[in-house]
Amino acid sequence: EVQLVESGGALVQPGRSLRLSCAASGFNFDDYAMHWVRQAPGKGLEWVSGINWNSGGLALADSVKGRFTISRDNSKNSLYLQMDSLRPEDTGIYYCARDRFGDYVGYFENWGQGTLVAVSS
Amino acid sequence: DIQMTQSPSSVSASVGDTITITCRASQGISGWLAWYQQRPGKAPKLLISGASNLQSGVPSRFSGRGSATDYTLTISSLQPEDFATYFCQHTNSFPPWTFGPGTKVEIK
Repeated sequence: EVQLVESGGALVQPGRSLRLSCAASGFNFDDYAMHWVRQAPGKGLEWVSGINWNSGGLALADSVKGRFTISRDNSKNSLYLQMDSLRPEDTGIYYCARDRFGDYVGYFENWGQGTLVAVSS
Repeated sequence: DIQMTQSPSSVSASVGDTITITCRASQGISGWLAWYQQRPGKAPKLLISGASNLQSGVPSRFSGRGSATDYTLTISSLQPEDFATYFCQHTNSFPPWTFGPGTKVEIK
């Protein structure tokens, strides 16, 4: 069974940093592209960042470019999101999601339960 | 970037009803479209990919169709567990991937 477990969410002040992690199990992690998708409270879904199977392809939404960095460690079956210069509008639930293939095509086939990030002074 | 719109934003229906949700892309996406279901407090779940292909385990009362810029999700014979919010999303190899604003299906 595919399992994705996010961690690292917290309440932080604007301008501070946070690192999210996603622990994957139940599948060959290094065969799949991975993504972060977020959801502001009571709002819709926003794709944040994606990384292909060997980290050779990286993508970021314009809203987080220059502030967020996605990475993965295939030896640890883990996905990460380093979030710097956080803003109140970054508040929301951050989901880790598995793509269909090793090179991303944007089909988010499996999702974690999410981790909550709150940016407020 | 491709923008996605959905209509209606919400719909009230009864168990056993059939409903259709519409999704429109700002440019043609050649069937590169997915539909997700999100129940309250839960993560989204992929229902349909490639505009019309049901994911394994998704009941056959869900169906999708469309081409170019216009797509639909139809739920036949609504069941209690179908009351949720549905999102469309354009897909392909080129980010960013954008979602529609969602359609909330509520119990009448």
